[in-house]
Amino acid sequence: QKEVEQNSGPLSVPEGAIASLNCTYSDRGSQSFFWYRQYSGKSPELIMSIYSNGDKEDGRFTAQLNKASQYVSLLIRDSQPSDSATYLCAVNVNTGNQFYFGTGTSLTVIP
Amino acid sequence: GAVVSQHPSRVICKSGTSVKIECRSLDFQATTMFWYRQFPKKSLMLMATSNEGSKATYEQGVEKDKFLINHASLTLSTLTVTSAHPEDSSFYICSARDFIGPSDNEQFFGPGTRLTVL
Repeated sequence: QKEVEQNSGPLSVPEGAIASLNCTYSDRGSQSFFWYRQYSGKSPELIMSIYSNGDKEDGRFTAQLNKASQYVSLLIRDSQPSDSATYLCAVNVNTGNQFYFGTGTSLTVIP
Repeated sequence: GAVVSQHPSRVICKSGTSVKIECRSLDFQATTMFWYRQFPKKSLMLMATSNEGSKATYEQGVEKDKFLINHASLTLSTLTVTSAHPEDSSFYICSARDFIGPSDNEQFFGPGTRLTVL
């Protein structure tokens, strides 16, 4: 079983819609959770970090964490074509140097 | 967020040569840096964890004599691909953790280095 799992997609949504990206993780000791965006040919860019259960909002992005279900998600409201990218979920276990990345979900926002 | 730079951004070399890639944290001190490689349309693959002042920790299957890592200061780590071959052609990305700042548990990525070995 992989440490972090994501649906590889591709996920397509129309412009203006809400895009929902999901991630599950296997280690209950995980304490920190991150969402990165990666455009084709570029390196990952940190979008959100979340450490406690519940929702965390930043502009059009909302991260949701449910530790009991070992589930973290990213919602993108009012999706724009510029949001088209691969979104990587990352998990840090016990604040050490063990970071695990999912394989990423490819999102396409259709104008 | 914190800024991490990489140099060079792109390099083309002949088979058998060695290539050095530099990773710098510009506005924070990074006791730990990470080196990844990524093939086209594939996920990030962690190669090694670089700790300032000590030997790097390599992931299983990564040859430490092939990929030499030096973390000589709190702001600089280097990756040297020795005797590069065409199969080493890839996108190499470093990242750094800021242990002191408000985002003390986040990794910040450099822009990456695209290596092509002819």
